[in-house]
Amino acid sequence: EPEVTQTPSHQVTQMGQEVILRCVPISNHLYFYWYRQILGQKVEFLVSFYNNEISEKSEIFDDQFSVERPDGSNFTLKIRSTKLEDSAMYFCASSEMVGPQPQHFGDGTRLSIL
Amino acid sequence: GENVEQHPSTLSVQEGDSAVIKCTYSDSASNYFPWYKQELGKGPQLIIDIRSNVGEKKDQRIAVTLNKTAKHFSLHITETQPEDSAVYFCAANPPPNYGGSQGNLIFGKGTKLSVKP
Repeated sequence: EPEVTQTPSHQVTQMGQEVILRCVPISNHLYFYWYRQILGQKVEFLVSFYNNEISEKSEIFDDQFSVERPDGSNFTLKIRSTKLEDSAMYFCASSEMVGPQPQHFGDGTRLSIL
Repeated sequence: GENVEQHPSTLSVQEGDSAVIKCTYSDSASNYFPWYKQELGKGPQLIIDIRSNVGEKKDQRIAVTLNKTAKHFSLHITETQPEDSAVYFCAANPPPNYGGSQGNLIFGKGTKLSVKP
């Protein structure tokens, strides 16, 4: 069964450094998402992406965050200057079509900011 | 914006018993309600979903019910097995904001289900 893959599984970064989290969505999917989950808390929406532009973003997704689809398969989340509170699990998800559709999640990247 | 409340936060049942997890949502315009199972070290896995034009949906041992008037939906797992032990999340998909064409998922806080053999 096709799946969303994320790399790395764990990223440790010094505060203030830039980090890029990578995702390969399911190949025929058109919509891509990033969510985060702070330890012990609920999964929170960050951003959705369609047709090479941001479709929707939450208030968490401020100017230090950016997303990109650099080629036909990868979807990345960049955090420019990491803060301690950015420590969380970051999940990528994708869905096949427009509208409320099943979103399929990867296994996440654990980001630890020191 | 949309807010999803989920109860209980933990649930322990004996193998073979049923488990019920309940969620309420605040935005009456939400129209899609998925349920996810998250095992340790894994991402959320979609197990069942329901749309606002349907009151109930069943898939083998799992069923979901939706009451639009009361704005609540529930997950029912029958004949529970130890492998059902995991954290379960409900979510709601409100209409998109700012002209976007795909709404995001708003999650509940999760229910840790433990099935004892």
